[in-house]
Amino acid sequence: AQTVTQSQPEMSVQEAETVTLSCTYDTSENNYYLFWYKQPPSRQMILVIRQEAYKQQNATENRFSVNFQKAAKSFSLKISDSQLGDTAMYFCAFMKQNQGAQKLVFGQGTRLTINP
Amino acid sequence: NAGVTQTPKFQVLKTGQSMTLQCAQDMNHEYMSWYRQDPGMGLRLIHYSVGAGITDQGEVPNGYNVSRSTTEDFPLRLLSAAPSQTSVYFCAIRRGRNTDTQYFGPGTRLTVL
Repeated sequence: AQTVTQSQPEMSVQEAETVTLSCTYDTSENNYYLFWYKQPPSRQMILVIRQEAYKQQNATENRFSVNFQKAAKSFSLKISDSQLGDTAMYFCAFMKQNQGAQKLVFGQGTRLTINP
Repeated sequence: NAGVTQTPKFQVLKTGQSMTLQCAQDMNHEYMSWYRQDPGMGLRLIHYSVGAGITDQGEVPNGYNVSRSTTEDFPLRLLSAAPSQTSVYFCAIRRGRNTDTQYFGPGTRLTVL
């Protein structure tokens, strides 16, 4: 079974700083996807970024980028020029590459606070 | 909300009561699923469906029933509510057969007394 671990329950940075959230996972699969979701106080789950395991290039979406280390099974999220609106819970998630099943396995989350 | 609607937004039940959480989408997505989120935890998969008439169990299916009679709707039924089912429930869709990303509805907060 796959597991996802986020070792930082809470983080806090000043606005405009850069912050990195950690995520490690355990799997015997070779083909899979990794995701970061953001959950603001509204409770909505919002996709931040996704990474395909077969791609060596790290995914980027504007101020959000990942450091994907497949051999180390590590998938960290970097937020540059952090903004107050980035305050949220962030969840790392794993999914096997399988068109039938669509099971996302989530980590426990990291609560990120951006201070003015 | 990725075109996914969930009703109700909030619900309080007494132990032993039954109810149905509704999930609907109007964009003909084949893949739909239900997750629950307990305090301080990530989401866990309850049931999922790959198309009308096809459902399967996820990680935590006990106490829940699903059916998929139409592409648009994927209701989640609690047969006899228990306090352990107090949680936030999310419905998700996957846009297309060859995509991998799931998008979530706004959630239903359920409290079982």
